[in-house]
Amino acid sequence: GENVEQHPSTLSVQEGDSAVIKCTYSDSASNYFPWYKQELGKRPQLIIDIRSNVGEKKDQRMAVTLNKTAKHFSLHITETQPEDSAVYFCAASIPLYGGATNKLIFGTGTLLAVQP
Amino acid sequence: KAGVTQTPRYLIKTRGQQVTLSCSPISGHRSVSWYQQTPGQGLQFLFEYFSETQRNKGNFPGRFSGRQFSNSRSEMNVSTLELGDSALYLCASSLDPSGRAHGENEQFFGPGTRLTVL
Repeated sequence: GENVEQHPSTLSVQEGDSAVIKCTYSDSASNYFPWYKQELGKRPQLIIDIRSNVGEKKDQRMAVTLNKTAKHFSLHITETQPEDSAVYFCAASIPLYGGATNKLIFGTGTLLAVQP
Repeated sequence: KAGVTQTPRYLIKTRGQQVTLSCSPISGHRSVSWYQQTPGQGLQFLFEYFSETQRNKGNFPGRFSGRQFSNSRSEMNVSTLELGDSALYLCASSLDPSGRAHGENEQFFGPGTRLTVL
């Protein structure tokens, strides 16, 4: 079935260290992989995404990598800051055969705590 | 541009009642998706509407339904509420431009409606 596994569920790092969150998806037809950051009591916000025709994408302190063969994708945050503390969700888009869809399957989230 | 808005922000209902939630997408966005967020199950896809038609549906019972209007605003309805329906209901809108491969459209979330069923 459609499934996205995300690890770890919690991650505590010191300010300035790097953080890595990993996800695995099940549907090989997935073609779009966004990452969302959700601060307490707020809406999920897109922070970076990657499409299936690209292996890596960087945006300032964030980078995502995609391994389509292994069906793995990861988020790397460098030089972490206290304001990076939040829940991070990975997601995979599930195309509908023969049609368009914006269905996203989400991972279970990673609570990142950056200690000052 | 104004972001995605949802009303009401908070709702308290009792078991057996029904509820209607509203979502106004970003101007120009034609796709609206709905998600249920709970601590135990995370974010789960309910359904997606595009041009007033349901384009995809998740694994929720028929008590959950929705519709989209010609101005792209969307509503979702939950009938015969159960305690387990207590959750944050999020909608997300997408531009869905022609030419972009299916499923590769950025989704922007609203603030959510917090539903509590007593």
